Amino acid sequence: AQSVTQLGSHVSVSEGALVLLRCNYSSSVPPYLFWYVQYPNQGLQLLLKYTSAATLVKGINGFEAEFKKSETSFHLTKPSAHMSDAAEYFCAVASGGYQKVTFGTGTKLQVIP
Amino acid sequence: NAGVTQTPKFQVLKTGQSMTLQCAQDMNHNSMYWYRQDPGMGLRLIYYSASEGTTDKGEVPNGYNVSRLNKREFSLRLESAAPSQTSVYFCASTSFEVEAFFGQGTRLTVV
Repeated sequence: AQSVTQLGSHVSVSEGALVLLRCNYSSSVPPYLFWYVQYPNQGLQLLLKYTSAATLVKGINGFEAEFKKSETSFHLTKPSAHMSDAAEYFCAVASGGYQKVTFGTGTKLQVIP
Repeated sequence: NAGVTQTPKFQVLKTGQSMTLQCAQDMNHNSMYWYRQDPGMGLRLIYYSASEGTTDKGEVPNGYNVSRLNKREFSLRLESAAPSQTSVYFCASTSFEVEAFFGQGTRLTVV
């Protein structure tokens, strides 16, 4: 079985500060890992994905995530927060092509001016 | 560039009424999903369909049925709506690399 744990349901950062959203996964096979973002009253959209290529993955809007197998982690970072980054972020895992996707419970990011 | 289209966007039902949420994707994806999203609980999988002609239960299937009508369409039916089914429902489809594409959601209220 696969699962995802997101640490912290709410994270607040100041504008310009580092953003760090934590995700740990469990998977019996090498996983596919994803971060999605959801803005208010919208569906989810893909920020970035890891599919067993480079361990440091760059996504849209300046976000990146690093796959660390030894720590079973896939934390999302951005060097400098912008007001427009305020949203809910979801980590997700799948066990390979065409396999079911499992989502974490989400982390709401607040950016303080 | 339609992607995943869900209808309706909003719906209010009385307890005991039935309804079907429609979902269609134009990306030729094999897999399709129905999730519900509730505050503090993230996305919970109701049903999914790995390919045309197959459906499987997810975490919270009780009170719901699905139909994979063809490769494009995957509908979710509430036979007898209950207030506990008040939620936002999302349909999604995935490519081989399991990147999920989501619809805009259906906000359902059961009174």
